[in-house]
Amino acid sequence: EPEVTQTPSHQVTQMGQEVILRCVPISNHLYFYWYRQILGQKVEFLVSFYNNEISEKSEIFDDQFSVERPDGSNFTLKIRSTKLEDSAMYFCASIRQLNTEAFFGQGTRLTVV
Amino acid sequence: GENVEQHPSTLSVQEGDSAVIKCTYSDSASNYFPWYKQELGKGPQLIIDIRSNVGEKKDQRIAVTLNKTAKHFSLHITETQPEDSAVYFCAASPRGITSYDKVIFGPGTSLSVIP
Repeated sequence: EPEVTQTPSHQVTQMGQEVILRCVPISNHLYFYWYRQILGQKVEFLVSFYNNEISEKSEIFDDQFSVERPDGSNFTLKIRSTKLEDSAMYFCASIRQLNTEAFFGQGTRLTVV
Repeated sequence: GENVEQHPSTLSVQEGDSAVIKCTYSDSASNYFPWYKQELGKGPQLIIDIRSNVGEKKDQRIAVTLNKTAKHFSLHITETQPEDSAVYFCAASPRGITSYDKVIFGPGTSLSVIP
């Protein structure tokens, strides 16, 4: 069964450093998303991406965050200057077309020290 | 914006008993309500969903109900098994509008099925 793949599974970084979280969505999917889950809290929407541009972003997704689809397969989330409060599990998701099932990756646990 | 609440936060049941998880949502524009199961070390996986034009949906041991007027929806798992132990998330989404199908999650219920 096709799946969304995220790398790395766990990333530890120093405060102030840049991190890039990587996702490979399912190959024929067209809409891509990033969500995050701070330990013990809700899974929160960060951003949606379609046709090589951001279609919607939450208030969490400030200027420190950016997304990119650098080639036909990868979808990345970059955090420019990490803060302690960026420590969370980050999930990538994709859907084939609107109004269909969303598939989630297994997540990347980001720890900022 | 949409806010989804979920109860209980933890639930323990004996194997074979039923488990019920209840959720409420705030935005009447939400019209799609998925339920996700998250096992340790994995991402959320869709187990069942319901759309606002349907009041109830069943898939083997899992059923969901939706009350649009009260903005309530529930997950029912019958004949629970130890492998049902996981965190369950309800969610809401205003599909077909300009939200690009983002999903708003509830806080989750940690279900433990005791053998």
